[in-house]
Amino acid sequence: QKEVEQDPGPLSVPEGAIVSLNCTYSNSAFQYFMWYRQYSRKGPELLMYTYSSGNKEDGRFTAQVDKSSKYISLFIRDSQPSDSATYLCAMRSPGTYKYIFGTGTRLKVLA
Amino acid sequence: DGGITQSPKYLFRKEGQNVTLSCEQNLNHDAMYWYRQDPGQGLRLIYYSQIVNDFQKGDIAEGYSVSREKKESFPLTVTSAQKNPTAFYLCASSIPPGPYNEQFFGPGTRLTVL
Repeated sequence: QKEVEQDPGPLSVPEGAIVSLNCTYSNSAFQYFMWYRQYSRKGPELLMYTYSSGNKEDGRFTAQVDKSSKYISLFIRDSQPSDSATYLCAMRSPGTYKYIFGTGTRLKVLA
Repeated sequence: DGGITQSPKYLFRKEGQNVTLSCEQNLNHDAMYWYRQDPGQGLRLIYYSQIVNDFQKGDIAEGYSVSREKKESFPLTVTSAQKNPTAFYLCASSIPPGPYNEQFFGPGTRLTVL
């Protein structure tokens, strides 16, 4: 079993929809959670960073961490065609340098 | 502008040749990383370095080598021992572990073995 599981998609939604992207993990030591957006043939761009449990909002993006369920989510409101990309979750334990990545979910927002 | 640069963007190699991928950062980060990305497999860690003159193997270090002689630079050599080197290679950097320890990525190098 992988430490981090992420549905690869693709996930297709109409423009303006609310998108929910998710990752589950098995290591209860993870405390730091990140979401990256990666356009085709580009490096990942950090979208959201969350420490421990709770919600964090930044514009149209909301990151949610539920440590009791070992489940993290990224919500995108009012999705746009420019949001079409692969979204990667990543997580890390305290005191370690090693980040563990999900395989990424490919999102397509249709105009 | 602070950031991470990788060169070249595209690299072609003949079988049996070693090639070196460049990674430079001006973020003053101590830690640097190399990942390999293949379709459907996410990012896999090749090597990482916590500090100058020190580096550790990641999950898939076989067939790769690195050096860390300067804080800003962390070149990756893909040797002829790497059986399947065609992939997208990503360099990243971060500050040492702590509550606000985000990892930032460069634009990547696509390596193709002919």
